[in-house]
Amino acid sequence: DTAVSQTPKYLVTQMGNDKSIKCEQNLGHDTMYWYKQDSKKFLKIMFSYNNKELIINETVPNRFSPKSPDKAHLNLHINSLELGDSAVYFCASSQDRAIPGELFFGEGSRLTVL
Amino acid sequence: AQSVTQPDIHITVSEGASLELRCNYSYGATPYLFWYVQSPGQGLQLLLKYFSGDTLVQGIKGFEAEFKRSQSSFNLRKPSVHWSDAAEYFCAVGAGDYGGSQGNLIFGKGTKLSVKP
Repeated sequence: DTAVSQTPKYLVTQMGNDKSIKCEQNLGHDTMYWYKQDSKKFLKIMFSYNNKELIINETVPNRFSPKSPDKAHLNLHINSLELGDSAVYFCASSQDRAIPGELFFGEGSRLTVL
Repeated sequence: AQSVTQPDIHITVSEGASLELRCNYSYGATPYLFWYVQSPGQGLQLLLKYFSGDTLVQGIKGFEAEFKRSQSSFNLRKPSVHWSDAAEYFCAVGAGDYGGSQGNLIFGKGTKLSVKP
């Protein structure tokens, strides 16, 4: 069983389109995250949800909207895609307040905007 | 502001040789420090972490790291590298408590490790 799973793994789309990436964790964790890894492998947090509540919202364009229907799922919707949105998006989860910083990552979703 | 520097972008070592990957951090208080490994096409996996106490911490896969406050460093070491260790290695510092969520990590830019047979 995959602990943190993301779909799709690869996504190729045109500028201006809207797309979503889904994430599910079966670890029973309280907190989920979206991280963005750019072409230079630099990883930066985008959002964090704790028990369906938004906790962290870094300086991300409002074209990016996370949605957490329940604490096991955190989806990322991106409107009006731009070339600069091309990156690998990682979902992660953690058992909050237990072991700070111990994140469990999904395998990533590679988004290519043409 | 917190930051993490990994001075080496790419390191190549021979299989069986020892390894040290460098990490320097900038943080006002006692940091939470981590090393993660990313194999090609995979997500990141936690190797080890430091919160407090013994400054030499052991991790998975035979890795260890030493916290040196005076040098603001948290270097990763392995005495004998295996071909399967070839991957990207990321050092990270915990950026504090955001209303209870402690997964806001500041990552370094990574060091790619290649292993020669």
